[in-house]
Amino acid sequence: AQSVTQLDSHVSVSEGTPVLLRCNYSSSYSPSLFWYVQHPNKGLQLLLKYTSAATLVKGINGFEAEFKKSETSFHLTKPSAHMSDAAEYFCVVSEPTSGYALNFGKGTSLLVTP
Amino acid sequence: NAGVTQTPKFQVLKTGQSMTLQCAQDMNHNSMYWYRQDPGMGLRLIYYSASEGTTDKGEVPNGYNVSRLNKREFSLRLESAAPSQTSVYFCASSRLAVSTGELFFGEGSRLTVL
Repeated sequence: AQSVTQLDSHVSVSEGTPVLLRCNYSSSYSPSLFWYVQHPNKGLQLLLKYTSAATLVKGINGFEAEFKKSETSFHLTKPSAHMSDAAEYFCVVSEPTSGYALNFGKGTSLLVTP
Repeated sequence: NAGVTQTPKFQVLKTGQSMTLQCAQDMNHNSMYWYRQDPGMGLRLIYYSASEGTTDKGEVPNGYNVSRLNKREFSLRLESAAPSQTSVYFCASSRLAVSTGELFFGEGSRLTVL
């Protein structure tokens, strides 16, 4: 069975400082992993995806994530936070045994302070 | 580009009433989905339609029905609304197989059942 755990429900950073949003996954097979972002009162938007190619994945708006199989992690990072990064972020896993259904984490709310 | 359009954006129902949430996409996508989002729960799949003419249950289908009216439209019906169905509902579509994780979301429909 597949699942994801987002280790922090809320993260607060100052503008210009690094962002780290943590995600651990559980999967019986080689999973596909994704990060989605949801700005207030908006739908979700795909930020980046890992599908067994390069372990370091670059996404939109300067975000990137590294797939670490030994640690079963897929943490999202950004070198310098911008005010517009304030949003809800979801880690998502998909694997063949579940018909490739997307399994969403519970989300991490990122607050960026001036 | 309109993308995925949901109507209505807000709705208040009384217990036992029925209603239909409408969803339309203009991207010529084959697959469409209905999710519900509850605080601290992430997104949970209600129903999906892999292609025109087919529908399948997701993780939480009880109390809901769906219709894939044509390639563009995928509606979600609550036959007898219950307070437990108070949620934000998201429609999504994908051009490629769901395993790619590349879903395009509408802006959501906020439903309150009293």
